[in-house]
Amino acid sequence: DAGVIQSPRHEVTEMGQEVTLRCKPISGHDYLFWYRQTMMRGLELLIYFNNNVPIDDSGMPEDRFSAKMPNASFSTLKIQPSEPRDSAVYFCASSYSGGSGNTIYFGEGSWLTVV
Amino acid sequence: GQNIDQPTEMTATEGAIVQINCTYQTSGFNGLFWYQQHAGEAPTFLSYNVLDGLEEKGRFSSFLSRSKGYSYLLLKELQMKDSASYLCAVPSDSGYSTLTFGKGTMLLVSP
Repeated sequence: DAGVIQSPRHEVTEMGQEVTLRCKPISGHDYLFWYRQTMMRGLELLIYFNNNVPIDDSGMPEDRFSAKMPNASFSTLKIQPSEPRDSAVYFCASSYSGGSGNTIYFGEGSWLTVV
Repeated sequence: GQNIDQPTEMTATEGAIVQINCTYQTSGFNGLFWYQQHAGEAPTFLSYNVLDGLEEKGRFSSFLSRSKGYSYLLLKELQMKDSASYLCAVPSDSGYSTLTFGKGTMLLVSP
């Protein structure tokens, strides 16, 4: 079975540039999550969707961050303009509400470096 | 608010047993998860406890005490490949469908 698929796996960009991260959740899953991981803050939830609808974006750091989910199989996280402090690993994850305890499954992550 | 505490790092030797503790505070309770994360990789699901007691799954076991807000992950017959970060997580107060994670315990297994 295909897991959560993210792209790009690695991106290095210059400060001020737009960054778009992409995610394909596991087929049949009705929840999609965007998390960010840094050494200092650990794994933090940025935003999550249920049936393609954004439910809680209180974790989005500021207006430079936006996320969309146009259909059940695709989501994007956009940073515009990017800043060095945005350097982190961004994980997309999905879950199925009918499963046991709503276990969350993670993609391999997008490693972002802003210079 | 929610608070999850776990030791930052632990070391152990191959073949030994190690216990990684986690204490949590939540307004409600809807289960506790353990994830394993190898360096440079994604977190992967290890276990889920919703009732008190010990759940055994091969070399790994997870224990929960809801009254004490306490859980531990027990790893037996340690192998080098068990060197990883172990993350404790609970469903978020704001929405049980999401998880709030601890900062993880980095376990280093030496020969």
